[in-house]
Amino acid sequence: DTGVSQDPRHKITKRGQNVTFRCDPISEHNRLYWYRQTLGQGPEFLTYFQNEAQLEKSRLLSDRFSAERPKGSFSTLEIQRTEQGDSAMYLCASSSRVGREETQYFGPGTRLLVL
Amino acid sequence: TQLLEQSPQFLSIQEGENLTVYCNSSSVFSSLQWYRQEPGEGPVLLVTVVTGGEVKKLKRLTFQFGDARKDSSLHITAAQTGDTGLYLCAGALGSGNTGKLIFGQGTTLQVKP
Repeated sequence: DTGVSQDPRHKITKRGQNVTFRCDPISEHNRLYWYRQTLGQGPEFLTYFQNEAQLEKSRLLSDRFSAERPKGSFSTLEIQRTEQGDSAMYLCASSSRVGREETQYFGPGTRLLVL
Repeated sequence: TQLLEQSPQFLSIQEGENLTVYCNSSSVFSSLQWYRQEPGEGPVLLVTVVTGGEVKKLKRLTFQFGDARKDSSLHITAAQTGDTGLYLCAGALGSGNTGKLIFGQGTTLQVKP
């Protein structure tokens, strides 16, 4: 399977705990995105990496959230001191821009439930 | 403020009927993508449109990008039960170097046998 993979697929945690999600992009893609999707809504942009550099962060990404892509390959998204409002599907996507066209391919997502 | 408005939000039709989903914005997009998403899964890409006025066909699905690159439509001919799912449009604003996508709220399609 050469698609985007995410781990874990599901995570249940108690309020106040820290959680970390991993994303492995398509190997030749240099761009990696994180999105969050709540029930009944489309995904919302969180942050974006080009290679190992984090180039943009949404204001949705509070200081409890941190993302890394240390070697320009896989990425991690950590949420500290989780809150019930953090419950959502966290989606990772990767892409490689060719000229003006860029297509993002999504992973299966990590569904987080904070109790 | 929703940058991309999708309509309708819900659609329930009989197998064999035709349908159109609309995606509208006041913003100009450098490209627009349509995705289909199953419950508990990530969005799966259907098509990318880049040029104003572009029309792309994928079997029974026809995608159109507006001339001004502000709107798009997805038309399904002779819908099948396997078409059931959440359809999402997503636009890239193209500002700066980021390709971040702005998503519509989605159209939930139910095709009944």
